[in-house]
Amino acid sequence: DSGVTQTPKHLITATGQRVTLRCSPRSGDLSVYWYQQSLDQGLQFLIQYYNGEERAKGNILERFSAQQFPDLHSELNLSSLELGDSALYFCASSVDGTAYEQYFGPGTRLTVT
Amino acid sequence: SQQGEEDPQALSIQEGENATMNCSYKTSINNLQWYRQNSGRGLVHLILIRSNEREKHSGRLRVTLDTSKKSSSLLITASRAADTASYFCATTWNAGNMLTFGGGTRLMVKP
Repeated sequence: DSGVTQTPKHLITATGQRVTLRCSPRSGDLSVYWYQQSLDQGLQFLIQYYNGEERAKGNILERFSAQQFPDLHSELNLSSLELGDSALYFCASSVDGTAYEQYFGPGTRLTVT
Repeated sequence: SQQGEEDPQALSIQEGENATMNCSYKTSINNLQWYRQNSGRGLVHLILIRSNEREKHSGRLRVTLDTSKKSSSLLITASRAADTASYFCATTWNAGNMLTFGGGTRLMVKP
């Protein structure tokens, strides 16, 4: 158990819908990262937050957005969902803003039908 | 596109044998890390090697890094059935904050 929690575990929704994925980092970790894992794209970095502020952005679509709240939990919002958005979404956390040793949550499996 | 490519994509060995996985990357890096992922689950950090290091050990794991060839290898000695998983290399580079993952090697260790 990494100490990072993600909810929900599974999510099934229809195209065009909007969903919110939630992540709670390990106690004491200030930085949260979101990754997407799909069969065709592999594991891709989406976005990083550090102590409430956006720190780095990767291959995140404009339809996706994220935020980190004062209690350090983070939410990833996915809107206007397409079939191709079906994937595993992982959240990871680290003590500070560097990428050294990230702790991954169990992931949310999103299925868009 | 992914920073790293891993080789082989899949590896099947008997318990007790050694498993070697290779990773190549494209740009200069700050460090290279290896992660393990059990089927459909989260990733677990295994080991980190900095760009100025050539070799590192952790238990049954040995990692080498050749920055001139932009490649790394992960050796798992005396493998066990519980080592069955996918193994990913990940690099951090100029931006420093994000991990860029390779495609992974699926390792199966038969009892």
